[in-house]
Amino acid sequence: ELKVEQNPLFLSMQEGKNYTIYCNYSTTSDRLYWYRQDPGKSLESLFVLLSNGAVKQEGRLMASLDTKARLSTLHITAAVHDLSATYFCAVVQLAGTASKLTFGTGTRLQVTL
Amino acid sequence: DGGITQSPKYLFRKEGQNVTLSCEQNLNHDAMYWYRQDPGQGLRLIYYSQIVNDFQKGDIAEGYSVSREKKESFPLTVTSAQKNPTAFYLCATRQVGTDTQYFGPGTRLTVL
Repeated sequence: ELKVEQNPLFLSMQEGKNYTIYCNYSTTSDRLYWYRQDPGKSLESLFVLLSNGAVKQEGRLMASLDTKARLSTLHITAAVHDLSATYFCAVVQLAGTASKLTFGTGTRLQVTL
Repeated sequence: DGGITQSPKYLFRKEGQNVTLSCEQNLNHDAMYWYRQDPGQGLRLIYYSQIVNDFQKGDIAEGYSVSREKKESFPLTVTSAQKNPTAFYLCATRQVGTDTQYFGPGTRLTVL
């Protein structure tokens, strides 16, 4: 059974500083997603990482994937208040022709002045 | 969301009642999914469907049922057998051949 773990579960960030969220998973997969969720809202896709060594950047967020270590990181550069939200990683599992996502428990980010 | 609608946004149910949550999409996507989210937790897969008239159980299917009579629609029924149905329910769609899932706005179900 695939397990996906994120840490930390909660991160209080100071504006302007850098932070990293980690996503570990237990079985082989070479595709991983990062989503953002604002309180009471749905999920917004941030990044899709499709191969070992993949790196994607958008604004102050950068995601990377190491499939050999079964690890993805989401790096935040110079945090700003707008980044306060919960971030989920999700690992792709294939079952025949079906594609399923297994989600981590999420990391709640709170940016303070 | 955008192309995926879920209704109602909020739903209240008495214990022992069945209730059906709606999910409709106009993205022409083949696959549809239902997830449950509890406070402070990630999403767990309830049911998914790759094609009309076919669906499979996810990780937490007990107490739920679905149908897929049309490509655009994938309603979820929460039955009285579901012991703790209070949660946020999210529907998602995916085009076959890709992995990306697009999420609807969600329905928050509360059992009184």
